[in-house]
Amino acid sequence: GIQVEQSPPDLILQEGANSTLRCNFSDSVNNLQWFHQNPWGQLINLFYIPSGTKQNGRLSATTVATERYSLLYISSSQTTDSGVYFCAVETGGFKTIFGAGTRLFVKA
Amino acid sequence: DSGVTQTPKHLITATGQRVTLRCSPRSGDLSVYWYQQSLDQGLQFLIQYYNGEERAKGNILERFSAQQFPDLHSELNLSSLELGDSALYFCASSTSGGGTDTQYFGPGTRLTVL
Repeated sequence: GIQVEQSPPDLILQEGANSTLRCNFSDSVNNLQWFHQNPWGQLINLFYIPSGTKQNGRLSATTVATERYSLLYISSSQTTDSGVYFCAVETGGFKTIFGAGTRLFVKA
Repeated sequence: DSGVTQTPKHLITATGQRVTLRCSPRSGDLSVYWYQQSLDQGLQFLIQYYNGEERAKGNILERFSAQQFPDLHSELNLSSLELGDSALYFCASSTSGGGTDTQYFGPGTRLTVL
């Protein structure tokens, strides 16, 4: 089946720093989403981005479907950005596959 | 608040027991998904329903079953529970579930099997 790999697995930032999270997938997908799981466990949708670039405030994402990767950019990080960031892809069989996540900690 | 509700928030039970988790999707969403999040397996897709019909099946054990009712709420039934079933169970919903729209997640049900 399709493999979804996220890097780095862990990231520690000083407040105000920028970062890039990567998601590689091994086959073509119909859908790609980025989620943030906050320290209370809530999963929040950040972007639905099967291709192209989107921006929402300090966050932006780019998916290059032909090269099978997606990037999530976090600028001017804040302590509230801490948590786990997941990439999830949906295959032709309507199955959603999550990566293992990138655990981010932003220090004040 | 995503608009997806799940009950109960927490559930503690014993091995061998059966439990039912409930999910109400966002208003207007026809598709419901169930996921299991555990420390060793990460987030795993279990099953998807669309307008009452099963659409996709993932890593769902035979001891688990689900259904979506005419009012579009869904229930996940877990039986013959084992210690390893302890996990956070999420429900998500989307408009069509055809692989082209956003999934919105509920707050989850934390199941502890003792």
